[in-house]
Amino acid sequence: KAGVTQTPRYLIKTRGQQVTLSCSPISGHRSVSWYQQTPGQGLQFLFEYFSETQRNKGNFPGRFSGRQFSNSRSEMNVSTLELGDSALYLCASSLEQGADNIQYFGAGTRLSVL
Amino acid sequence: GNSVTQMEGPVTLSEEAFLTINCTYTATGYPSLFWYVQYPGEGLQLLLKATKADDKGSNKGFEATYRKETTSFHLEKGSVQVSDSAVYFCALIKRSQGNLIFGKGTKLSVKP
Repeated sequence: KAGVTQTPRYLIKTRGQQVTLSCSPISGHRSVSWYQQTPGQGLQFLFEYFSETQRNKGNFPGRFSGRQFSNSRSEMNVSTLELGDSALYLCASSLEQGADNIQYFGAGTRLSVL
Repeated sequence: GNSVTQMEGPVTLSEEAFLTINCTYTATGYPSLFWYVQYPGEGLQLLLKATKADDKGSNKGFEATYRKETTSFHLEKGSVQVSDSAVYFCALIKRSQGNLIFGKGTKLSVKP
């Protein structure tokens, strides 16, 4: 069974641009969560989608948005990029929502903003 | 609020040494607790989990016990290998929410 796939693996953008990251969950998983990982702030939760609905959102500005499609694939978008958005963005999928469902992570997309 | 605190790294050990990485949490109710591991250039892999007090999670020689009285979930391994070199993250998830809350991570380096 294929794992969580994130594309692209690496991205280089300049300030003010926008970027879209993609995540394909494990087959059959309906919940997708996104996390940002930086050396200073560690791992921080961005948002969670379940059956195409955003169910939970972290404390990030509105420049960060996401969506989920009917096949459970998810995208996140960051508009008007800032230097501080440079990070590893991790996607995780699980069968269902909730504490009893293990989240499986992809390898991440490393975004560098110049 | 909910939070996870784990010991600062890096931790450097010799092969076959005993490993302990401390983790304590703050949360209302009864969260589930996890240890994830991240190898260089990779995402996070679940190492073990425990869903209620006194549960012991174990995998690949690693163990951690959910201690509600001390709000702790310390990771232990009796004999580490060079291949265990990685960053280890303690995390919790509350039943009412879907997101993991992570500690800052502890980098472990095992020398031959």
